Amino acid sequence: GAGVSQSPSNKVTEKGKDVELRCDPISGHTALYWYRQSLGQGLEFLIYFQGNSAPDKSGLPSDRFSAERTGGSVSTLTIQRTQQEDSAVYLCASSHPRGTGELFFGEGSRLTVL
Amino acid sequence: DQQVKQNSPSLSVQEGRISILNCDYTNSMFDYFLWYKKYPAEGPTFLISISSIKDKNEDGRFTVFLNKSAKHLSLHIVPSQPGDSAVYFCAASELNDMRFGAGTRLTVKP
Repeated sequence: GAGVSQSPSNKVTEKGKDVELRCDPISGHTALYWYRQSLGQGLEFLIYFQGNSAPDKSGLPSDRFSAERTGGSVSTLTIQRTQQEDSAVYLCASSHPRGTGELFFGEGSRLTVL
Repeated sequence: DQQVKQNSPSLSVQEGRISILNCDYTNSMFDYFLWYKKYPAEGPTFLISISSIKDKNEDGRFTVFLNKSAKHLSLHIVPSQPGDSAVYFCAASELNDMRFGAGTRLTVKP
């Protein structure tokens, strides 16, 4: 499709399990972002990829969180040993290098940790 | 470290009136500011933006004002319509590193 695609749309897991969330950005968009929105909260920055540069990981809340971007396209956000406070909607966005700076968001992956 | 702040979690206005959503930021290196609109169960969508070299940008019913000295921006919607009811996020970027505020839930009553 033409937009940012995220999967799964919903994920329910047990505390302590690992989860992987996938983001397929818009073709040609070199910048890719992960944010999360916890219940009643705003958008919390997690990580930012720009082309082949080292990612900005300053928003990752703990070392249980990691992300990679293979081939400058698809990205995977991995959460190890999930905790209940990890429950949130995880949003991925991408932007075009010569665009106006706006981000295009996917519909998000809702993670529920029981 | 909240670099972008929206201090009003909610706002309710009457249809036809003006809605004013406010946003403050702390990082003077931000060079681009944006507003996004989010409906439930959807990702945020871009609404309007302004470069740091301008103080106003208008697009139809939506106008964004930027006051760099006060590190403040606002979004004006006039006239407000029930379909404008959504959560509005303010965002600021420095070299494509974009940070968001906590959002303001706007309710426009018919």
